[in-house]
Amino acid sequence: KAGVTQTPRYLIKTRGQQVTLSCSPISGHRSVSWYQQTPGQGLQFLFEYFSETQRNKGNFPGRFSGRQFSNSRSEMNVSTLELGDSALYLCASSLSQGKTQYFGPGTRLLVL
Amino acid sequence: GDSVTQMEGPVTLSEEAFLTINCTYTATGYPSLFWYVQYPGEGLQLLLKATKADDKGSNKGFEATYRKETTSFHLEKGSVQVSDSAVYFCALYNQGGKLIFGQGTELSVKP
Repeated sequence: KAGVTQTPRYLIKTRGQQVTLSCSPISGHRSVSWYQQTPGQGLQFLFEYFSETQRNKGNFPGRFSGRQFSNSRSEMNVSTLELGDSALYLCASSLSQGKTQYFGPGTRLLVL
Repeated sequence: GDSVTQMEGPVTLSEEAFLTINCTYTATGYPSLFWYVQYPGEGLQLLLKATKADDKGSNKGFEATYRKETTSFHLEKGSVQVSDSAVYFCALYNQGGKLIFGQGTELSVKP
């Protein structure tokens, strides 16, 4: 079974721009979660989607948003990029809420 | 709030040495506990998990036992290899449905 895939793997943007990251979960998984990983803050939970609805949200500003499609694929959007948004963004999928999460390789975003 | 505390790294060991990475947690109820591993330039891989007290998770020679009395989930391996060099994350799934991670412990194994 194919694992979680994320595109693109690397991205360079400038301040003020917006970015959209994509995540395809493991086949049959209906829950998708997003995390931000930085050297200073570690791994922080952004949000979780299940059945196209946001079920849980971390402590991030409204510039960070996401959505999930009927095929369980998910996208994450960051608007008005700031330098501090430079990070590895990880997506994880699970069969349903509360089940073991399996991570993708991440998208490394650099904001200049 | 719920939290996970891991021993600080980096941890440097010689090949075939015994490994222990300490992990303690604070949480309401009885959370599921996990160890994930991250190799350079990659995402997180699930290493092992335990869902209730006294459960022992094991995989690839690594083990961890869910100790409710001491709120701990220490990772151990009897004989490490150079290929085990990575960052190890302890995590818990809390009642609010969030996966909470420790800060990570970097392990470096020298030949």
